[in-house]
Amino acid sequence: AQTVTQSQPEMSVQEAETVTLSCTYDTSESNYYLFWYKQPPSRQMILVIRQEAYKQQNATENRFSVNFQKAAKSFSLKISDSQLGDTAMYFCAFMKHNGGATNKLIFGTGTLLAVQP
Amino acid sequence: SAVISQKPSRDICQRGTSLTIQCQVDSQVTMMFWYRQQPGQSLTLIATANQGSEATYESGFVIDKFPISRPNLTFSTLTVSNMSPEDSSIYLCSVVPPAGPQHFGDGTRLSIL
Repeated sequence: AQTVTQSQPEMSVQEAETVTLSCTYDTSESNYYLFWYKQPPSRQMILVIRQEAYKQQNATENRFSVNFQKAAKSFSLKISDSQLGDTAMYFCAFMKHNGGATNKLIFGTGTLLAVQP
Repeated sequence: SAVISQKPSRDICQRGTSLTIQCQVDSQVTMMFWYRQQPGQSLTLIATANQGSEATYESGFVIDKFPISRPNLTFSTLTVSNMSPEDSSIYLCSVVPPAGPQHFGDGTRLSIL
């Protein structure tokens, strides 16, 4: 069975600074997807970034980038130039690749990020 | 990306009663998922709902407690039956649009008195 671990329950960063959120996972699968979702107080789950395991290049979306280390089963999220609107709970998630069919997401326990003015 | 409308957004219910949550998508999707997020916790998958077939439940969740309907490719309902305070959670539906990863509805915050 797959598991996702986020070892940082809470983190804090100053506005405009950079912060890195950690995520590790355990799987015997070779083909899978990894995601970071953001959940602000409004509780909506918002996709931040995703990474296909077969791609060696780290995904980037504007101020958000990942450091994907497949051998180490590590998938950290870096937020550059942090903004007050980045304050939210961040969830790391794993999804097994199923030949194009959709599969369920397995979530970590989350990291609560507070951006301080 | 898909637009998901989930109703109600919140409700307060008496123990022993049942509540049905609706999830409407603006495009046809094959699979819909129902998740539960208990207070201060992560999301846990309840079941996967395919159109025209029985929902597939995860370990720890049963159809009698969480019956699901999926009458067409744009709509699903989740019923929380015989509610107790332990059912107080946020319930979220999600879909996978034809091109893209899972998208979530805004969730239903359910409180049981």
